[in-house]
Amino acid sequence: GDSVTQMQGQVTLSEDDFLFINCTYSTTWYPTLFWYVQYPGEGPQLLLKVTTANNKGISRGFEATYDKGTTSFHLQKASVQESDSAVYYCVLGDMGYKLTFGTGTSLLVDP
Amino acid sequence: EAAVTQSPRSKVAVTGGKVTLSCHQTNNHDYMYWYRQDTGHGLRLIHYSYVADSTEKGDIPDGYKASRPSQENFSLILELASLSQTAVYFCASSVPGRIYEQYFGPGTRLTVL
Repeated sequence: GDSVTQMQGQVTLSEDDFLFINCTYSTTWYPTLFWYVQYPGEGPQLLLKVTTANNKGISRGFEATYDKGTTSFHLQKASVQESDSAVYYCVLGDMGYKLTFGTGTSLLVDP
Repeated sequence: EAAVTQSPRSKVAVTGGKVTLSCHQTNNHDYMYWYRQDTGHGLRLIHYSYVADSTEKGDIPDGYKASRPSQENFSLILELASLSQTAVYFCASSVPGRIYEQYFGPGTRLTVL
């Protein structure tokens, strides 16, 4: 079945640092890839959608791309702020209804 | 913007007891979902529903039932709660044609003792 691997469990940065989070995916279908973000005390919310290889998704200063050759997708931000502290999930949408979530990367940004 | 609310926000239950978690959405979405969140597992789909009076099994349905009495309401039922069902539960909704763009509620923290 479909799967998503998110290796970075926790990332600690300082304000204005560069953020890069990487995930790999496995699917037998054409991938539809997303990044969801979960702030403390809230449910996850959609951050970015990336639907075609080499086609960036951009939102709130975050950029997302994927590489079909390596079946990986990435989230990056040039300069993080303390307000970006949250859990970031890479998510794979399958051919039906379902979202498959990665295990999440907890980002802590020190002021 | 879709509004999804959950009740209760927190609950302590005893092993073997019955637990009902409720979800209500106000934006006329057809699709609704129940997920559980555990450390190290991300979110996993328990049950989902395309339309009122119909529910489908997700990836981890064992030990859970679901009920969709109306378009707005979707309940998750634990008939015999167990320690392993301690988790945070999230409800979500979406519209046809944009089913991957799900709107989540704030979650219910369930502790089974």
